[in-house]
Amino acid sequence: DVKVTQSSRYLVKRTGEKVFLECVQDMDHENMFWYRQDPGLGLRLIYFSYDVKMKEKGDIPEGYSVSREKKERFSLILESASTNQTSMYLCASSLRGAAGELFFGEGSRLTVL
Amino acid sequence: AQSVSQHNHHVILSEAASLELGCNYSYGGTVNLFWYVQYPGQHLQLLLKYFSGDPLVKGIKGFEAEFIKSKFSFNLRKPSVQWSDTAEYFCAVKGGLDGYNKLIFGAGTRLAVHP
Repeated sequence: DVKVTQSSRYLVKRTGEKVFLECVQDMDHENMFWYRQDPGLGLRLIYFSYDVKMKEKGDIPEGYSVSREKKERFSLILESASTNQTSMYLCASSLRGAAGELFFGEGSRLTVL
Repeated sequence: AQSVSQHNHHVILSEAASLELGCNYSYGGTVNLFWYVQYPGQHLQLLLKYFSGDPLVKGIKGFEAEFIKSKFSFNLRKPSVQWSDTAEYFCAVKGGLDGYNKLIFGAGTRLAVHP
């Protein structure tokens, strides 16, 4: 089974802090994604990566950055957390050309005070 | 820009009732369509998908969906729901033929099934 692991299930941070969310997948997938999930808004794509050191902005990249130094690891960075970034963050991965079959992690719930 | 609309945000049913969840998308070209499900406390997982061919797609756990191109719709159905179907359901679309698998999701529908 594909496993996508998000290192932190719950985080509480203060406004202005730098936040790192880590995601690791074990199936050699080329594509990796960060979404945020908010009630009534569904999942919105923040960033995705289709190869090591490659990244593309999604629909809501403002206030976020990402890093992909190794194929299996994709990190989401909040340089200066704000209260409107309180959310559930979902990491996903897929094979290139797998036509939409994403494998998701269990999510990281971030609260910014 | 691509978008996905799910018309029902909350649905409450009794066991054995029939289910239909609406999904409409906006994209004029080739699309791949998906339904994902998130059971309480679990990660999102694929329920079913449409790429091409037969517009009636069957997925896991007795779910099916019908692609109606003229209506830009991909509604999810199940003839008889069970308590274990209580979950949040997300419709998603991938437009175009690139291999990046960038999916656009709808807002989700929370389904509660009462015994």
